[in-house]
Amino acid sequence: AQSVTQPDIHITVSEGASLELRCNYSYGATPYLFWYVQSPGQGLQLLLKYFSGDTLVQGIKGFEAEFKRSQSSFNLRKPSVHWSDAAEYFCAVRGAGSYQLTFGKGTKLSVIP
Amino acid sequence: GAGVSQSPSNKVTEKGKDVELRCDPISGHTALYWYRQSLGQGLEFLIYFQGNSAPDKSGLPSDRFSAERTGGSVSTLTIQRTQQEDSAVYLCASSLYGSANNEQFFGPGTRLTVL
Repeated sequence: AQSVTQPDIHITVSEGASLELRCNYSYGATPYLFWYVQSPGQGLQLLLKYFSGDTLVQGIKGFEAEFKRSQSSFNLRKPSVHWSDAAEYFCAVRGAGSYQLTFGKGTKLSVIP
Repeated sequence: GAGVSQSPSNKVTEKGKDVELRCDPISGHTALYWYRQSLGQGLEFLIYFQGNSAPDKSGLPSDRFSAERTGGSVSTLTIQRTQQEDSAVYLCASSLYGSANNEQFFGPGTRLTVL
């Protein structure tokens, strides 16, 4: 069975600082990996996804993520955080033959002005 | 174009009552999903519809939960005899097809509170 671990429940960073949110997955083959963001009272918005090819993927809002097969990781990064990035971030995995997403528990990001 | 819409946005009900939650997917999307987001369990898959195929109900937590999708479009999630542990945000998503590389677009959710 596939699973996702986001080890950090809550992270606080200063505006302008760099950000890295951790995600580790468990899956027998190469999975499809996703990062979603959820602002308060909103649904989930897709930031980026990895299916194959280049292991560094670019997403919206200046985010990027790197797939590292050897570490079973798919960490999300942003070089300079903006106050509007404060939200909850979810990493998700989907098997190649599957249609359901399996989510991590989420990481809440707070941004200090 | 319009995204996924859900109604109501908030629902407060008494324990033991039945509730219906509605999802309108993006027009033309053949696949529809329901997920539940609760404090203790995070985001959990509930049910999946693909075209006219039989739905995958493997994520439904009990037989009090059921869902249908009429005409391959609108879906209704029904919870009978609601319990306090059913309190959660119920999210609906749709995708063009059900294959793994299709992006799922999420609605804003219905927040259900069972008193």
